[in-house]
Amino acid sequence: ELKVEQNPLFLSMQEGKNYTIYCNYSTTSDRLYWYRQDPGKSLESLFVLLSNGAVKQEGRLMASLDTKARLSTLHITAAVHDLSATYFCAVYNAGNMLTFGGGTRLMVKP
Amino acid sequence: GAVVSQHPSWVICKSGTSVKIECRSLDFQATTMFWYRQFPKKSLMLMATSNEGSKATYEQGVEKDKFLINHASLTLSTLTVTSAHPEDSSFYICSARDSVAKAIYFGEGSWLTVV
Repeated sequence: ELKVEQNPLFLSMQEGKNYTIYCNYSTTSDRLYWYRQDPGKSLESLFVLLSNGAVKQEGRLMASLDTKARLSTLHITAAVHDLSATYFCAVYNAGNMLTFGGGTRLMVKP
Repeated sequence: GAVVSQHPSWVICKSGTSVKIECRSLDFQATTMFWYRQFPKKSLMLMATSNEGSKATYEQGVEKDKFLINHASLTLSTLTVTSAHPEDSSFYICSARDSVAKAIYFGEGSWLTVV
């Protein structure tokens, strides 16, 4: 059974600081997604990572994938308040469905 | 714009009644759609996989008779919460898989409150 673990669960940080969110998964997969969720809203797709060593960047967010280590990271650079949200990683498994991590709630303080 | 439309976005119903939530793929055909439930400050919990033209596959612990799923066409799946109770109040999210684009798109979600 595929398990996906995110760390940390909650993160409060100051604007301008950097931080990394980690996503570990237990079985082989060839696709990993990162999503953002604002309160009361559905999921917004951020990144799809399809191969080992894949790195994608959008603004202050950068995601990477290491399939050998079964690890993905979401790095936040010079955080701003607008990045405050909950971030989920999700791994595409053999059953053609997504298994979600527990989510990381990010709060960026001015 | 949205490629998966979910309706309604917010519904309040009385205990004992049934409520239907629709999930439509707008720009593609979706042979497979997924229904999730999300509790406050929790992750998404997969309830069932909806397969066009066949029965849905439910996750362990999800009552088939309570959460009726119908996927009658390649662009529409519906979730009906039957005999709703306050504990069914939750945020329900659907997603649809675009096999051609190899992408999964999420609907806007539906807030259900049972009073």
